Amino acid sequence: DIVMTQSPDSLAVSLGERATINCKSSQSVLFSTNNKNHVAWYQQKPGQPPKLLIYWASTRASGVPDRFSGSGSGTVFTLTISSLQAEDVAVYYCQQYYNTPPTFGQGTKVEIK
Amino acid sequence: QVQLQESGPGLVKPSETLSLTCTVSGGSISSYYWSWIRQPPGKGLEWIGYMYYSGSTNSNPSLKSRVTISVDTSKNQFSLKLSSVTATDTAVYYCARHREKWDLLRSFDYWGQGALVTVSS
Repeated sequence: DIVMTQSPDSLAVSLGERATINCKSSQSVLFSTNNKNHVAWYQQKPGQPPKLLIYWASTRASGVPDRFSGSGSGTVFTLTISSLQAEDVAVYYCQQYYNTPPTFGQGTKVEIK
Repeated sequence: QVQLQESGPGLVKPSETLSLTCTVSGGSISSYYWSWIRQPPGKGLEWIGYMYYSGSTNSNPSLKSRVTISVDTSKNQFSLKLSSVTATDTAVYYCARHREKWDLLRSFDYWGQGALVTVSS
């Protein structure tokens, strides 16, 4: 199985400041057939299911604010919230869908400082 | 707008079989892959298995011998059975859709609200 490791486990950021979450995969998730990185990012608020934010490592899902951006390739990926809003308090997960079983990072909790 | 809803018993006894159904509305179950994913209380996400509307399935090797996934296209539903449960199977169970038609290796774009299943005598 591909292991996805996120850092940090939690972070506190002031409103309007940048939040950066990192994710490393235990092997490359760049698919040679389509030249795409099979990585997604999800946001999960308490009592809710995960919400897809980013797929193909950098493509925003429909309706996701443009303060959320994803980057990276191969084994190293980043989710950035450019200007943290109160409604962004949540746990964020990265996920690889390069192969089966799809696997998730352990999650990063984002709070307001 | 596609909606998914999990249903089933919220309490299962140890050694018995957990059974859940996911009902899809607002869209057809056809042409997509659908997965079950679980989340123990306060913990992360674990993929359980997928099914394709044609009936093909696969599951996580860590659970494979205990997992059965089936589909009923006439009802736009698919189901999960997890046998020989223990307390470690206590979790919120989600059903989710793979983002693009016909493609297995995709992110999950629609999720159910989740069903908490507690394993306890």
